[in-house]
Amino acid sequence: NAGVTQTPKFQVLKTGQSMTLQCAQDMNHEYMSWYRQDPGMGLRLIHYSVGAGITDQGEVPNGYNVSRSTTEDFPLRLLSAAPSQTSVYFCASSYSELDRGVSPLHFGNGTRLTVT
Amino acid sequence: GESVGLHLPTLSVQEGDNSIINCAYSNSASDYFIWYKQESGKGPQFIIDIRSNMDKRQGQRVTVLLNKTVKHLSLQIAATQPGDSAVYFCAENIRGGSNYKLTFGKGTLLTVNP
Repeated sequence: NAGVTQTPKFQVLKTGQSMTLQCAQDMNHEYMSWYRQDPGMGLRLIHYSVGAGITDQGEVPNGYNVSRSTTEDFPLRLLSAAPSQTSVYFCASSYSELDRGVSPLHFGNGTRLTVT
Repeated sequence: GESVGLHLPTLSVQEGDNSIINCAYSNSASDYFIWYKQESGKGPQFIIDIRSNMDKRQGQRVTVLLNKTVKHLSLQIAATQPGDSAVYFCAENIRGGSNYKLTFGKGTLLTVNP
């Protein structure tokens, strides 16, 4: 049972480049989400999904796109990277609150992104 | 706005001592709280959770206390070990929302001295 797997672990981009951060979970969790973690800012929610085909914006969605074509995968796309997007990105998943009540999020080990 | 905060940004303890990490919350609608541990270079790891209908919950070497009167949450770690050194976050979920609206505190760095 791998849990939440994120790739790549590290990435350096130039301003304006695009890339996709991958996230996969093998726990059959309905809910998946993306957070960014910056010094002094804590974890901030970017986008989330309550199931395949459904996505919604979190606290800081600008500059990021997501899609959820399968239960297992929830990629995060940066269309035109900016230095302000330098951060550590975490994917997290859990069971749906509607099905099982509120449950804790399970996190991946993050992708460390630097935009120059 | 309402947010989760921490009383102490850093905490240094001796190995074997008990540690107490505090968290204040200001949203009276919060009904579910979680403590996470984050080691360097890793993602947050679930430690323990508690619902608002409880005052105390115990796990292995950890206890979470919830005081709804003063909106205060604490994590107690018994017999702290060097492996407990990490950043600890509390998170709250607002009643009527879902866990995809978890709000995280900024974290407390716990250092355990051998």
